[in-house]
Formats: sequence, C-alpha cells, structure tokens
Amino acid sequence: DTEVTQTPKHLVMGMTNKKSLKCEQHMGHRAMYWYKQKAKKPPELMFVYSYEKLSINESVPSRFSPECPNSSLLNLHLHALQPEDSALYLCASSQVLAGAYNEQFFGPGTRLTVL
Amino acid sequence: TQLLEQSPQFLSIQEGENLTVYCNSSSVFSSLQWYRQEPGEGPVLLVTVVTGGEVKKLKRLTFQFGDARKDSSLHITAAQPGDTGLYLCAGEANAGGTSYGKLTFGQGTILTVHP
Repeated sequence: DTEVTQTPKHLVMGMTNKKSLKCEQHMGHRAMYWYKQKAKKPPELMFVYSYEKLSINESVPSRFSPECPNSSLLNLHLHALQPEDSALYLCASSQVLAGAYNEQFFGPGTRLTVL
Repeated sequence: TQLLEQSPQFLSIQEGENLTVYCNSSSVFSSLQWYRQEPGEGPVLLVTVVTGGEVKKLKRLTFQFGDARKDSSLHITAAQPGDTGLYLCAGEANAGGTSYGKLTFGQGTILTVHP
C-alpha cells in the first residue's frame, strides 16, 4: 500500500466550530507532516511528527492542534479558525532512515473553507 | 535560509511542443524531488535525484541534477494535455542525516498544454 488517505475531502466550517482533519498511511513511514497550501502556491510546512512525537512546529497559531495517536494516523484539530485559514490542507509521510532521502508522499488533501 | 528559484512561473504551450523547467539555488542539496500536482489533488512524487550530474528519464520527462547539486531541470518532450498541472521542485539540505524533515520548495511552475 503506497497511499496516504485524508478525510474529509471537503470541509466547510464557521469560525466558532471545532472540527478535525484525519490522515492515514500504511507504508510503515515514521514521519508524518501537515502542510497548508493556497491556490497555485507551493505547500507550506506546518508540523512534522517523527515516531509519534512532534519534532517541528513552524510557529503555527494555536487554533491548529496536531495529534499523532499512532504510527499510522495523524489528526489536525481545528478551533476558532479565521477565513484566511481557508486552504488545501495536505498530509504527507516519509521514511525515517539514516542515509535515505526525504521523499514525501502526499495525500489528496482536505479543501477547507472557513465562513 | 535556503531558497529554490523555480522558473518559469507560468508556461502555456501547444500539444507536441517541448519545454524545460528550472530550479536554481546558491545552496547545495543532498537530494532534490520533483512533484506534479493537479488541481484539488495532492502533489505526486515524480522522481528523486541525488548524485551531481545525474540524469533520470521517466517516459517523456527527463530530469537533471547539476554537477554541484545546486540546480535541477525538468524537460518534457512532445507535451500532451495530460501533462497540465503544477510542477514543484523540492530540495533536502540535510546531508547524511535521516530522511525526514523540512523540504525547501520552489515557487512552482503552472503548465498548461493546449490540444
């Protein structure tokens, strides 16, 4: 299985809602990532987990809260978002192996709209 | 801060034409990935280049990594409408380390191939 899955595909939420994005991979990868992507721009890194521990937080506002319950799952909890947070949210995974290369495999993304 | 300058930003061509996309940096990268992304989907990894001077071919796509590992190019021969999409280069600077972490992305090239 070489696939990263994300749910939901689309999400519309109000600024007072709480919602969660989910990501799953079964490639045995021990690094997982959340990215935010605006239209026609490259992905912007938000968080990196390695062995289920948060290793990189790119100064993301606290209204985004990541969670890695196990080696296959990654969640992004959303609360009190702003309209400017509307974007495509991408999950990715990669191996954690000395001497290997940072090949990241992306999911299809969740299109988030904040009203 | 490492930067990857990707050019051109936009490319609109007719079916059957050839094209080249460039990624340049003043920094050395231990590996460089090329991704292709269709609207509303996640980036798909096309290739990873790791050795200076390396050339890899994927059907009509030819990827080169510069001798000094600071630049790379993607050449498409006889472009087809199915090649339309956002092309991203992404470099990894962590030489000899583990295979995860932050990638430096180029700004992307939006390619449109007209029938």
